[in-house]
Amino acid sequence: KAGVTQTPRYLIKTRGQQVTLSCSPISGHRSVSWYQQTPGQGLQFLFEYFSETQRNKGNFPGRFSGRQFSNSRSEMNVSTLELGDSALYLCASSSAGTSRETQYFGPGTRLLVL
Amino acid sequence: AQSVTQLGSHVSVSEGALVLLRCNYSSSVPPYLFWYVQYPNQGLQLLLKYTTGATLVKGINGFEAEFKKSETSFHLTKPSAHMSDAAEYFCAVGSNDYKLSFGAGTTVTVRA
Repeated sequence: KAGVTQTPRYLIKTRGQQVTLSCSPISGHRSVSWYQQTPGQGLQFLFEYFSETQRNKGNFPGRFSGRQFSNSRSEMNVSTLELGDSALYLCASSSAGTSRETQYFGPGTRLLVL
Repeated sequence: AQSVTQLGSHVSVSEGALVLLRCNYSSSVPPYLFWYVQYPNQGLQLLLKYTTGATLVKGINGFEAEFKKSETSFHLTKPSAHMSDAAEYFCAVGSNDYKLSFGAGTTVTVRA
């Protein structure tokens, strides 16, 4: 089975722009989660989707949004980019997203905001 | 709410020596615990997990961890370090609200 894929892998944007990141989960997985990783804050949960419904959202401003499509692929969007949004954005998928399941991570999208 | 504390942000070991990474958790319900490894410029890879049953969990690459409820710990060990073990390691706890809560991570360097 193919793993979790994320596109693009690297991205450079300037302050004020917006960006859309994409995640394709492992085939058959219906839960997709997003995490932000920075040296200062570590790994922080952004949101989780299951069957196109957001079930949980982390403590991030409304500039961060996401969605999931009927084929379980997910996108996250960050509007009005700030320097502090520079980070590695990781997507993870699992079958149903329950707490005991393994979440499988993609390679991440590294976003640099100038 | 669930949370995880990893003791020691950096650990340096000699090749062939024991690797011990410490993780303590806080959970109001029976925890599901995970160790992930991250190599440079890569995502996270599962090393092992504890859900229920045997408290000594064996994972990939010779790693194992022991769940100790009385100490609220889930420390990761490997008897003999290899150069390829140089990476960052994360302990995480699964919660009932569909997310993982991660520790701050421990970077392991292996000296030849």
